[in-house]
Amino acid sequence: AQSVTQLGSHVSVSEGALVLLRCNYSSSVPPYLFWYVQYPNQGLQLLLKYTSAATLVKGINGFEAEFKKSETSFHLTKPSAHMSDAAEYFCAVSPDDSILTGGGNKLTFGTGTQLKVEL
Amino acid sequence: DAGVTQSPTHLIKTRGQQVTLRCSPKSGHDTVSWYQQALGQGPQFIFQYYEEEERQRGNFPDRFSGHQFPNYSSELNVNALLLGDSALYLCASSFQRGLAFFGQGTRLTVV
Repeated sequence: AQSVTQLGSHVSVSEGALVLLRCNYSSSVPPYLFWYVQYPNQGLQLLLKYTSAATLVKGINGFEAEFKKSETSFHLTKPSAHMSDAAEYFCAVSPDDSILTGGGNKLTFGTGTQLKVEL
Repeated sequence: DAGVTQSPTHLIKTRGQQVTLRCSPKSGHDTVSWYQQALGQGPQFIFQYYEEEERQRGNFPDRFSGHQFPNYSSELNVNALLLGDSALYLCASSFQRGLAFFGQGTRLTVV
């Protein structure tokens, strides 16, 4: 079964500092990987996705993530944190199967990392 | 484009009662998935509907059931509510196995 592990349930950075949120995946087949952001009392918004086209994926709001097969990692980074980045971030994995064979885009989420940005 | 809409946004139910949550997918989407997000946790997959049939199911008891209508909208039903069912219920829609777009969720409180 596929799974993701997010290291660090809480991360605190200063405004303008580098943001690094860690995600490691477990999958026997090449996975689809995603990062979602959730603001308080909101649903999930997609930041970026990896679908094997390129190992460095650029997303919205200046975020990017690099797929490293050798490390089974998909860490999320942003060069300079902004106060508006404070939110909860979820890494997720999905199988690369057709929905008609029972795969589709079922997402398995990590436990989340709460990002705090301080002045 | 209204995106994925869920109703109601909040509701409070008593243990043992039944609840129905509703989801309208994003325009052009034909697949609806439901997730349960307990406080402080990541979302957990409940089930997925495509062509009005349940295609996949997560590790949830039969008290959780659903339906998809011809217009692709969907309902999530939970019977015999337990305190542990208190959570944010998220609906996500997609076109087949494409990107999932999430709604704002329904906050269910069981007392």
